[in-house]
Amino acid sequence: GQQLNQSPQSMFIQEGEDVSMNCTSSSIFNTWLWYKQEPGEGPVLLIALYKAGELTSNGRLTAQFGITRKDSFLNISASIPSDVGIYFCAGHFNSNSGYALNFGKGTSLLVTP
Amino acid sequence: ETGVTQTPRHLVMGMTNKKSLKCEQHLGHNAMYWYKQSAKKPLELMFVYNFKEQTENNSVPSRFSPECPNSSHLFLHLHTLQPEDSALYLCASSPRQLAGGLNKNIQYFGAGTRLSVL
Repeated sequence: GQQLNQSPQSMFIQEGEDVSMNCTSSSIFNTWLWYKQEPGEGPVLLIALYKAGELTSNGRLTAQFGITRKDSFLNISASIPSDVGIYFCAGHFNSNSGYALNFGKGTSLLVTP
Repeated sequence: ETGVTQTPRHLVMGMTNKKSLKCEQHLGHNAMYWYKQSAKKPLELMFVYNFKEQTENNSVPSRFSPECPNSSHLFLHLHTLQPEDSALYLCASSPRQLAGGLNKNIQYFGAGTRLSVL
């Protein structure tokens, strides 16, 4: 599958700060997904994006599907300690390429009170 | 609770043991997946089943043997594993793929089985 470049690799911030992370690919995707994984758990879907330029929010989280279809970003506003975890981006091209999601390596987020 | 249940949550096994991981989904999905998650690596897709048929096998060694008896259950049979196989094994499921429709492919993950091979 395609390797996604996710950055930053890790972030250490104070409660209340805003966070931004992004993901780029050498190939275009039709779907971008953002997941969060907490220790001892599997990834949980946060936001799904299906159209280039689409901007979608889920509470304090906002994600955008890049116009070129090769990138996406996730922003978290006013971070709180429970935002701690690893955030993964995942991309998928349409059905002819099968069912595989391509994942980034993750952004590890630590939030101090 | 994501609707995907994996058992056991933790497993320690010797290299000569045979064990099985189990995954069950209660979401009415028709596609199921096994992933391997190792430290500092992206999730590695191992197997995909769609309507109980295996559609992808990403060059996984034969010491890993999947089984999908129905759309709700997925197993991963383990035999003669190596220490480098120690990892978190994640199961996921996704909705039925509609013919001619956009493949949205949202995958829902279980909590994983933490496997240690000694």
